[in-house]
Amino acid sequence: DQQVKQNSPSLSVQEGRISILNCDYTNSMFDYFLWYKKYPAEGPTFLISISSIKDKNEDGRFTVFLNKSAKHLSLHIVPSQPGDSAVYFCAAPYPNSGGSNYKLTFGKGTLLTVNP
Amino acid sequence: ETGVTQTPRHLVMGMTNKKSLKCEQHLGHNAMYWYKQSAKKPLELMFVYSLEERVENNSVPSRFSPECPNSSHLFLHLHTLQPEDSALYLCASSQDREAFFGQGTRLTVV
Repeated sequence: DQQVKQNSPSLSVQEGRISILNCDYTNSMFDYFLWYKKYPAEGPTFLISISSIKDKNEDGRFTVFLNKSAKHLSLHIVPSQPGDSAVYFCAAPYPNSGGSNYKLTFGKGTLLTVNP
Repeated sequence: ETGVTQTPRHLVMGMTNKKSLKCEQHLGHNAMYWYKQSAKKPLELMFVYSLEERVENNSVPSRFSPECPNSSHLFLHLHTLQPEDSALYLCASSQDREAFFGQGTRLTVV
């Protein structure tokens, strides 16, 4: 059961424009979300996160919006740059068995291509 | 430098071979993970170790055998793999809800 869904496998935008990456989730117990960026043949790197007590978190060109009633979040990148071309994963942590740590469940990812 | 180092970066092995993947984290985290990424699939959690104890095993076949000798090191021992096990294997560590990943091992089973 895919609890975190990214329904757009790819997105192509022009340099300088806004990129909007979307993510939906089904588990209302999720209270924290992360976005990871991944280049080919490398591990994901953390980009930005948001807690469910907020509806927006901004870090430079990256802003994440959370709509809890719709169980939807989005990552906005503005302005987009060619170096932003990568796969972006949405993820939600939930407690391990025993509750001592968290494990991440990931969406399938969206391949962003920023054209010069 | 992500703080999580995986070796080797690439591995080609036959179906009768035995090999091991190694992961080391320098972040002082108390949990370590193995994930698998196959083509066109989401990242799949394989194993979780918390304080050196295995706390999760997500129905992974026994041909994959993890080992966590201490909080900084994690191994994935491989034997009699199948071609469909070819994938990117990612190690991660965490202290709270944010996981830090290594660069991965690209495994090809021939």
